[in-house]
Amino acid sequence: GENVEQHPSTLSVQEGDSAVIKCTYSDSASNYFPWYKQELGKRPQLIIDIRSNVGEKKDQRIAVTLNKTAKHFSLHITETQPEDSAVYFCAASRPLGNQFYFGTGTSLTVIP
Amino acid sequence: ETGVTQTPRHLVMGMTNKKSLKCEQHLGHNAMYWYKQSAKKPLELMFVYNFKEQTENNSVPSRFSPECPNSSHLFLHLHTLQPEDSALYLCASSLETQGNTEAFFGQGTRLTVV
Repeated sequence: GENVEQHPSTLSVQEGDSAVIKCTYSDSASNYFPWYKQELGKRPQLIIDIRSNVGEKKDQRIAVTLNKTAKHFSLHITETQPEDSAVYFCAASRPLGNQFYFGTGTSLTVIP
Repeated sequence: ETGVTQTPRHLVMGMTNKKSLKCEQHLGHNAMYWYKQSAKKPLELMFVYNFKEQTENNSVPSRFSPECPNSSHLFLHLHTLQPEDSALYLCASSLETQGNTEAFFGQGTRLTVV
């Protein structure tokens, strides 16, 4: 099955700085890569996703890049704010079956 | 509110008890999932149902028994659990199509086995 690795496990940044979280996957058939944000005591919620036919996608302060050849994808958050503090999960999914395989999560702390 | 509701929110049970977790969605989705979330571990996929049919059982012990009576409801029946089964159990749903789509999660059931 798919194996998704995520780094770092914890990340602290000063407010206004950028944060980068990286994931690798093993199954070359995976073609959908969502990122979820989970605030303390709350459910994971999708913040951005990317499909294998594009290399980069941006939504305001959040961007995701995908390198299919190297099988890795990254989340970039610019101009971080305290409300960005949460656990972020990457995931990979194969076609023909929404079986999401998640990374171990990154606990992001934005220091005011 | 994402439209996926889980009950109960918290559950404490003994190792000899039998209990059930419930999940329902009214988003018109046809795929539903159970995930286990333990501290410092990835979200572990347990079961997947597509159109009420189980399509994935990720080597889950038989003390966890899923049931999907229709596309809107999903249950997880629990019996003779172990303390290491204590975790947050998350239900999710999505629209199963040829292209992958977003999974919507419920709030989860915080399970403690004593």
